[in-house]
Amino acid sequence: GAGVSQSPSNKVTEKGKDVELRCDPISGHTALYWYRQSLGQGLEFLIYFQGNSAPDKSGLPSDRFSAERTGGSVSTLTIQRTQQEDSAVYLCASSLAYWAGQETQYFGPGTRLLVL
Amino acid sequence: TQLLEQSPQFLSIQEGENLTVYCNSSSVFSSLQWYRQEPGEGPVLLVTVVTGGEVKKLKRLTFQFGDARKDSSLHITAAQTGDTGLYLCAGAGGDYGQNFVFGPGTRLSVLP
Repeated sequence: GAGVSQSPSNKVTEKGKDVELRCDPISGHTALYWYRQSLGQGLEFLIYFQGNSAPDKSGLPSDRFSAERTGGSVSTLTIQRTQQEDSAVYLCASSLAYWAGQETQYFGPGTRLLVL
Repeated sequence: TQLLEQSPQFLSIQEGENLTVYCNSSSVFSSLQWYRQEPGEGPVLLVTVVTGGEVKKLKRLTFQFGDARKDSSLHITAAQTGDTGLYLCAGAGGDYGQNFVFGPGTRLSVLP
């Protein structure tokens, strides 16, 4: 595709329900990132995938959050037993290759999650 | 924990004015990036600075990385309404620079 795509674009759920957010990175990009952006805030790093290496999960806020990347391409971020504080925009980004923080990350439009 | 602060938080100016926004930290970063984000969209990379003291120019935008690689500034000359948006700085952290630490952003409004 032309860019990073994310689905759904908006998600409203009830507290306690599980949600899955999907990210389709740019074809050929080996690195994939998930971030969370709360209203009026900057981006909070969640998790990073690079090729077939073990993901860097150091940013996940709790064990209710998990992510996987199948076949080195599509990624799914799962939030179990959602809480109201999980409400935010979840952004996915991909980059061609990892280069010590100098690579260009291409961001998707985000998924706006609202937990009632 | 590496943190980035940005100032001002909000800035509203008239078209044609100049402005500078700042990104500061007590930590050293191997590189620093500036992004612009418009409502309903993801951030778009403007520039990456790597070397302490480095200055990069992108048309009317001038980016500077501090000598100690702890701070950066973005200067816009003759602002245009199209410059309106959220400006985010991000420092490369983690053991291998794989984690990007983002500042809270400066929300710029350029009025006609």
